[in-house]
Amino acid sequence: NAGVTQTPKFRVLKTGQSMTLLCAQDMNHEYMYWYRQDPGMGLRLIHYSVGEGTTAKGEVPDGYNVSRLKKQNFLLGLESAAPSQTSVYFCASSKTSGGASGELFFGEGSRLTVL
Amino acid sequence: EDQVTQSPEALRLQEGESSSLNCSYTVSGLRGLFWYRQDPGKGPEFLFTLYSAGEEKEKERLKATLTKKESFLHITAPKPEDSATYLCAVPRGYKLSFGAGTTVTVRA
Repeated sequence: NAGVTQTPKFRVLKTGQSMTLLCAQDMNHEYMYWYRQDPGMGLRLIHYSVGEGTTAKGEVPDGYNVSRLKKQNFLLGLESAAPSQTSVYFCASSKTSGGASGELFFGEGSRLTVL
Repeated sequence: EDQVTQSPEALRLQEGESSSLNCSYTVSGLRGLFWYRQDPGKGPEFLFTLYSAGEEKEKERLKATLTKKESFLHITAPKPEDSATYLCAVPRGYKLSFGAGTTVTVRA
């Protein structure tokens, strides 16, 4: 019963470095999402995907790129990390549109610090 | 612009002291309102879906209600294990828009 798995769980980067966060789900879900969570601001959507090979921008996409080459994986990339990207990142998936069912399954988060 | 606002930001309760959390929204044509629970260091976990004004959902000590302008999450006789951050969300197309959450601490 893995559900949604995120790697790595913790990472410290220096400004300008690049990295990729990996999200894997074993529920055969079509929809996948990347959110960031900052104190007092709640969850904000970065990018999302409505199926294999598709991606779309969310509320705060600048500085991030994503890819969904396989249905079960959704990758979030930071090409040149900035201190403003220090946050906790959550991946989520849903069987049907999250906007319709409201039921998203979240991973446990990846805590990223950019120095 | 659609907005989801939760209050209070934090709530400290004594075990057994019932209370309510508020989620207000400004969304045209609401197509559902959703509640989640988030434990420290974990991802949010889905609790309830409410689709129409007057609807109520219950789970153990939690009851969620919905009006045309807001939703309430009532916690009846809470226990320390009910301590968590509670998030509400509304749909925006394929996606969900979340409030900032209410952090509930229940003391024994």
